[in-house]
Amino acid sequence: AQSVTQLGSHVSVSEGALVLLRCNYSSSVPPYLFWYVQYPNQGLQLLLKYTSAATLVKGINGFEAEFKKSETSFHLTKPSAHMSDAAEYFCAVTNQAGTALIFGKGTTLSVSS
Amino acid sequence: ETGVTQTPRHLVMGMTNKKSLKCEQHLGHNAMYWYKQSAKKPLELMFVYSLEERVENNSVPSRFSPECPNSSHLFLHLHTLQPEDSALYLCASSQRLAREETQYFGPGTRLLVL
Repeated sequence: AQSVTQLGSHVSVSEGALVLLRCNYSSSVPPYLFWYVQYPNQGLQLLLKYTSAATLVKGINGFEAEFKKSETSFHLTKPSAHMSDAAEYFCAVTNQAGTALIFGKGTTLSVSS
Repeated sequence: ETGVTQTPRHLVMGMTNKKSLKCEQHLGHNAMYWYKQSAKKPLELMFVYSLEERVENNSVPSRFSPECPNSSHLFLHLHTLQPEDSALYLCASSQRLAREETQYFGPGTRLLVL
């Protein structure tokens, strides 16, 4: 079975600081991994996804994530936080049948000036 | 309209009411999904449709009834709901059912059951 664990339900950074949101996965098959962002009162927007083509994945808005099989991790980073990055971030893995995304509980990112 | 749209955006209903949520995708996709997002809980898959056929029913109570009349539209019919059903209901679509496919989400319907 597949599962995702997001460490830290809330992360706070200063504007311009490094953003690091942690995600660890469990999968019985080679995983397909996704990061989504949700702004208040909106749906989920894809930031990036890993589909085995490259271990370092670049996404929108300056975010990137690195797939590390040995650590079963897919952490999301951004070198310099912006106020507009404040949102909730979800890591997800596809189930084995390909019929569903299995989501973590989410991490709320706060950015202060 | 572009992407995935959902109506209504907000809904308040009593436990004896019957209402429906509507989802429409303008992406030419063949798979559609309903997810439930409750406070303090991960998003949960409810139903999956592929080419208008239901392929997964994730142990959802019968007071939730999905309908997919064509590949562009998905409905969630609600009746005799409970207060614990209050949540954000998200619709999503993907090109096809496959592990590498991206799911595109609508803005959701915020449901409050009184």
